[in-house]
Amino acid sequence: DAGVIQSPRHEVTEMGQEVTLRCKPISGHNSLFWYRQTMMRGLELLIYFNNNVPIDDSGMPEDRFSAKMPNASFSTLKIQPSEPRDSAVYFCASSLARGQGNTGELFFGEGSRLTVL
Amino acid sequence: AQKVTQAQTEISVVEKEDVTLDCVYETRDTTYYLFWYKQPPSGELVFLIRRNSFDEQNEISGRYSWNFQKSTSSFNFTITASQVVDSAVYFCALGRRPNTGNQFYFGTGTSLTVIP
Repeated sequence: DAGVIQSPRHEVTEMGQEVTLRCKPISGHNSLFWYRQTMMRGLELLIYFNNNVPIDDSGMPEDRFSAKMPNASFSTLKIQPSEPRDSAVYFCASSLARGQGNTGELFFGEGSRLTVL
Repeated sequence: AQKVTQAQTEISVVEKEDVTLDCVYETRDTTYYLFWYKQPPSGELVFLIRRNSFDEQNEISGRYSWNFQKSTSSFNFTITASQVVDSAVYFCALGRRPNTGNQFYFGTGTSLTVIP
Protein backbone atom coordinates (compact mmCIF):
# COMPACT_ATOMS: atom_id res chain seq x y z
CA ASP A 1 0.00 0.00 0.00
CA ALA A 2 1.24 3.49 -0.77
CA GLY A 3 2.11 5.56 2.24
CA VAL A 4 2.00 9.32 2.58
CA ILE A 5 3.69 10.81 -0.44
CA GLN A 6 5.48 14.13 -0.28
CA SER A 7 7.19 16.18 -2.94
CA PRO A 8 9.71 17.49 -3.49
CA ARG A 9 12.05 15.51 -1.26
CA HIS A 10 14.63 18.26 -1.41
CA GLU A 11 14.26 21.91 -2.31
CA VAL A 12 16.94 24.56 -2.40
CA THR A 13 15.79 28.06 -3.09
CA GLU A 14 16.81 31.64 -2.60
CA MET A 15 15.39 34.00 -0.06
CA GLY A 16 12.25 35.68 -1.33
CA GLN A 17 11.19 32.87 -3.61
CA GLU A 18 7.90 31.05 -3.28
CA VAL A 19 8.04 27.46 -2.10
CA THR A 20 5.23 24.93 -2.48
CA LEU A 21 5.35 21.58 -0.73
CA ARG A 22 2.91 18.88 -1.70
CA CYS A 23 1.37 15.95 0.09
CA LYS A 24 -0.81 13.03 -0.85
CA PRO A 25 -2.23 11.32 2.26
CA ILE A 26 -2.97 7.65 2.57
CA SER A 27 -6.16 6.82 0.72
CA GLY A 28 -9.10 6.79 3.10
CA HIS A 29 -7.43 8.86 5.78
CA ASN A 30 -9.35 12.00 6.62
CA SER A 31 -6.98 13.83 8.94
CA LEU A 32 -3.88 15.49 7.54
CA PHE A 33 -1.12 17.20 9.43
CA TRP A 34 1.84 19.39 8.47
CA TYR A 35 4.84 19.37 10.81
CA ARG A 36 8.14 21.18 10.70
CA GLN A 37 11.30 19.76 12.24
CA THR A 38 14.42 21.73 13.09
CA MET A 39 17.29 21.10 15.45
CA MET A 40 16.35 24.12 17.52
CA ARG A 41 12.61 23.58 17.84
CA GLY A 42 12.19 19.87 17.29
CA LEU A 43 8.94 18.65 15.78
CA GLU A 44 6.32 21.40 15.53
CA LEU A 45 2.73 21.04 14.38
CA LEU A 46 1.96 23.73 11.83
CA ILE A 47 -1.62 22.93 10.86
CA TYR A 48 -4.02 20.04 10.66
CA PHE A 49 -7.09 19.32 8.58
CA ASN A 50 -10.03 17.09 9.28
CA ASN A 51 -12.20 16.18 6.30
CA ASN A 52 -10.35 18.81 4.25
CA VAL A 53 -11.22 21.57 6.72
CA PRO A 54 -8.42 23.34 8.61
CA ILE A 55 -9.04 22.71 12.31
CA ASP A 56 -6.03 24.26 13.99
CA ASP A 57 -3.54 26.53 12.26
CA SER A 58 -2.16 28.10 15.41
CA GLY A 59 1.23 26.61 14.68
CA MET A 60 1.63 28.40 11.37
CA PRO A 61 4.52 30.79 12.01
CA GLU A 62 3.22 33.83 10.20
CA ASP A 63 1.31 35.06 7.21
CA ARG A 64 4.02 33.94 4.86
CA PHE A 65 2.83 30.39 5.45
CA SER A 66 -0.41 29.05 4.03
CA ALA A 67 -1.85 25.57 3.63
CA LYS A 68 -4.68 24.22 1.56
CA MET A 69 -6.45 20.94 1.16
CA PRO A 70 -8.65 21.22 -1.91
CA ASN A 71 -9.66 17.55 -1.77
CA ALA A 72 -9.17 14.43 0.30
CA SER A 73 -6.11 13.31 -1.63
CA PHE A 74 -4.01 16.43 -1.86
CA SER A 75 -2.62 19.20 0.30
CA THR A 76 -0.10 21.98 -0.18
CA LEU A 77 1.99 24.05 2.17
CA LYS A 78 3.16 27.30 0.66
CA ILE A 79 5.76 29.75 1.89
CA GLN A 80 5.84 33.12 0.22
CA PRO A 81 8.27 34.79 0.45
CA SER A 82 10.69 32.26 1.88
CA GLU A 83 13.39 33.20 4.38
CA PRO A 84 16.55 31.38 5.54
CA ARG A 85 14.93 30.67 8.92
CA ASP A 86 12.32 28.57 7.12
CA SER A 87 14.99 25.98 6.37
CA ALA A 88 13.77 22.74 7.91
CA VAL A 89 12.33 19.35 7.14
CA TYR A 90 8.61 19.55 6.56
CA PHE A 91 6.61 16.42 7.24
CA CYS A 92 3.12 15.61 6.14
CA ALA A 93 1.21 12.94 8.05
CA SER A 94 -2.23 11.42 7.86
CA SER A 95 -4.51 9.36 10.06
CA LEU A 96 -8.05 8.14 10.35
CA ALA A 97 -10.21 10.26 12.61
CA ARG A 98 -12.55 9.14 15.31
CA GLY A 99 -15.36 6.69 14.85
CA GLN A 100 -14.05 4.79 11.90
CA GLY A 101 -12.83 1.70 13.68
CA ASN A 102 -9.24 2.74 13.30
CA THR A 103 -6.18 2.72 15.47
CA GLY A 104 -5.58 6.43 15.05
CA GLU A 105 -1.84 6.49 14.63
CA LEU A 106 -0.12 9.03 12.44
CA PHE A 107 1.62 7.86 9.31
CA PHE A 108 4.34 10.19 8.13
CA GLY A 109 5.69 10.94 4.71
CA GLU A 110 9.43 10.92 4.13
CA GLY A 111 9.60 14.68 4.51
CA SER A 112 10.62 17.59 2.32
CA ARG A 113 13.97 19.09 3.19
CA LEU A 114 13.89 22.79 2.47
CA THR A 115 16.98 24.97 2.31
CA VAL A 116 16.53 28.68 1.84
CA LEU A 117 19.74 30.49 0.95
CA ALA B 1 -3.41 20.82 28.71
CA GLN B 2 -1.59 17.96 27.09
CA LYS B 3 2.14 17.49 27.41
CA VAL B 4 4.74 14.81 26.79
CA THR B 5 8.10 14.90 28.48
CA GLN B 6 11.12 12.93 27.38
CA ALA B 7 13.70 13.99 29.90
CA GLN B 8 16.55 12.06 28.32
CA THR B 9 17.90 14.12 25.47
CA GLU B 10 20.71 11.79 24.47
CA ILE B 11 21.67 8.28 25.51
CA SER B 12 24.68 6.23 24.48
CA VAL B 13 24.98 2.54 25.14
CA VAL B 14 27.34 -0.17 24.03
CA GLU B 15 25.93 -2.79 21.74
CA LYS B 16 24.08 -5.61 23.51
CA GLU B 17 23.26 -3.48 26.52
CA ASP B 18 19.64 -2.93 27.49
CA VAL B 19 18.32 0.61 27.41
CA THR B 20 15.11 2.23 28.60
CA LEU B 21 13.71 5.41 27.13
CA ASP B 22 11.46 7.33 29.48
CA CYS B 23 8.22 9.05 28.58
CA VAL B 24 5.95 10.93 30.97
CA TYR B 25 2.70 12.45 29.82
CA GLU B 26 0.11 14.86 31.16
CA THR B 27 -3.54 14.90 30.24
CA ARG B 28 -6.90 15.30 31.90
CA ASP B 29 -8.62 13.15 29.34
CA THR B 30 -9.87 9.78 30.48
CA THR B 31 -9.46 8.32 27.01
CA TYR B 32 -6.21 8.89 25.22
CA TYR B 33 -3.58 7.09 23.20
CA LEU B 34 0.15 6.78 23.51
CA PHE B 35 2.61 6.20 20.72
CA TRP B 36 6.27 5.67 20.06
CA TYR B 37 7.95 6.63 16.82
CA LYS B 38 11.46 5.99 15.59
CA GLN B 39 13.41 8.40 13.42
CA PRO B 40 16.57 6.73 12.08
CA PRO B 41 19.39 8.77 10.54
CA SER B 42 17.68 8.52 7.17
CA GLY B 43 15.05 10.87 8.55
CA GLU B 44 11.70 9.18 8.16
CA LEU B 45 9.37 8.81 11.13
CA VAL B 46 8.35 5.23 11.70
CA PHE B 47 5.41 4.21 13.85
CA LEU B 48 6.36 1.61 16.48
CA ILE B 49 3.44 1.14 18.84
CA ARG B 50 0.13 2.50 20.03
CA ARG B 51 -1.53 1.92 23.42
CA ASN B 52 -5.00 2.92 24.55
CA SER B 53 -5.46 4.48 27.96
CA PHE B 54 -7.76 1.66 29.03
CA ASP B 55 -5.24 -1.05 28.21
CA GLU B 56 -2.34 -1.14 30.64
CA GLN B 57 -1.00 -4.44 29.46
CA ASN B 58 2.65 -4.27 28.70
CA GLU B 59 3.73 -5.31 25.27
CA ILE B 60 6.73 -7.08 23.89
CA SER B 61 7.75 -7.21 20.26
CA GLY B 62 11.03 -8.96 19.74
CA ARG B 63 13.72 -6.93 21.50
CA TYR B 64 11.30 -4.06 22.13
CA SER B 65 9.02 -3.80 25.12
CA TRP B 66 6.78 -1.08 26.46
CA ASN B 67 5.71 -0.45 30.04
CA PHE B 68 2.54 1.59 30.41
CA GLN B 69 1.70 2.75 33.94
CA LYS B 70 -1.25 5.08 34.39
CA SER B 71 -0.43 5.56 38.07
CA THR B 72 2.77 7.33 37.16
CA SER B 73 1.62 8.63 33.75
CA SER B 74 4.51 6.90 32.09
CA PHE B 75 4.96 4.92 28.92
CA ASN B 76 8.54 3.72 28.88
CA PHE B 77 10.25 1.90 26.05
CA THR B 78 12.95 -0.70 26.59
CA ILE B 79 15.28 -2.12 23.98
CA THR B 80 16.89 -5.37 25.03
CA ALA B 81 20.30 -6.36 23.66
CA SER B 82 20.64 -3.14 21.70
CA GLN B 83 22.06 -3.15 18.20
CA VAL B 84 23.70 -0.48 16.09
CA VAL B 85 20.57 -0.36 13.92
CA ASP B 86 18.65 0.86 16.95
CA SER B 87 20.54 4.16 16.77
CA ALA B 88 17.86 6.75 16.13
CA VAL B 89 15.80 9.48 17.69
CA TYR B 90 12.76 8.09 19.46
CA PHE B 91 9.64 10.16 19.98
CA CYS B 92 6.86 9.51 22.43
CA ALA B 93 3.47 11.03 21.62
CA LEU B 94 0.08 11.48 23.22
CA GLY B 95 -3.04 11.34 21.11
CA ARG B 96 -6.56 12.41 21.75
CA ARG B 97 -9.61 12.17 19.58
CA PRO B 98 -12.09 14.97 20.05
CA ASN B 99 -14.91 15.37 17.58
CA THR B 100 -12.76 17.68 15.49
CA GLY B 101 -10.34 14.90 14.68
CA ASN B 102 -7.16 13.39 16.02
CA GLN B 103 -4.70 15.55 17.93
CA PHE B 104 -1.16 14.53 18.70
CA TYR B 105 1.38 15.90 21.14
CA PHE B 106 4.99 14.89 20.69
CA GLY B 107 7.85 14.87 23.14
CA THR B 108 11.16 16.40 22.19
CA GLY B 109 12.70 13.05 21.44
CA THR B 110 15.54 10.96 22.83
CA SER B 111 18.57 10.44 20.65
CA LEU B 112 19.92 6.94 21.13
CA THR B 113 23.39 6.00 19.97
CA VAL B 114 24.41 2.36 20.11
CA ILE B 115 28.16 2.00 20.01
CA PRO B 116 29.52 -1.14 18.36
